[in-house]
Amino acid sequence: DAGVTQSPTHLIKTRGQHVTLRCSPISGHKSVSWYQQVLGQGPQFIFQYYEKEERGRGNFPDRFSARQFPNYSSELNVNALLLGDSALYLCASSGGLTGELFFGEGSRLTVL
Amino acid sequence: DAKTTQPTSMDCAEGRAANLPCNHSTISGNEYVYWYRQIHSQGPQYIIHGLKNNETNEMASLIITEDRKSSTLILPHATLRDTAVYYCIVSSGGSNYKLTFGKGTLLTVNP
Repeated sequence: DAGVTQSPTHLIKTRGQHVTLRCSPISGHKSVSWYQQVLGQGPQFIFQYYEKEERGRGNFPDRFSARQFPNYSSELNVNALLLGDSALYLCASSGGLTGELFFGEGSRLTVL
Repeated sequence: DAKTTQPTSMDCAEGRAANLPCNHSTISGNEYVYWYRQIHSQGPQYIIHGLKNNETNEMASLIITEDRKSSTLILPHATLRDTAVYYCIVSSGGSNYKLTFGKGTLLTVNP
């Protein structure tokens, strides 16, 4: 069975640019969450979507946005990139009653 | 969500049991204890979770104290592939999708 897939795996952008990261959840999972992990820290919650609706948002600026599509895949968009946005962006899906999250391998973003 | 306290790092010999402690003294009655681990450059991996009772699965055992203020994750026979950062997280059922990760414990399994 395919796990959570994310694309691209690595990308390099320059300050001020925009980036779109994509995530496909495990088949049957309706919830997708996004996390940012900077070097040396634990992942930090950005967004959660369930059935195409935003259900939670972490302490991130409005430059960060996301959406979920009818097939439950999701996109994370970041505008006006800053050097501090360099991080591993993780997507996680969940579908069971027990609440555990299944993470993808992440998209590593470098902002120069 | 309640905060957790974990040691920064621990070492364990290959083949021996690894016991990773976690303090969560402010845990609420409806909050679960979750454990995840993250092997270098990979996404976090769910290990186990529990509410009150001790739990065991194919990966590990979770021992929660009676007052629920602390817990221990036990890897019964650690291997080199268990070297990872282990995160103890406390979260209620309604906000399970929003996990608050700390810095975790870096477990190094030595040959």
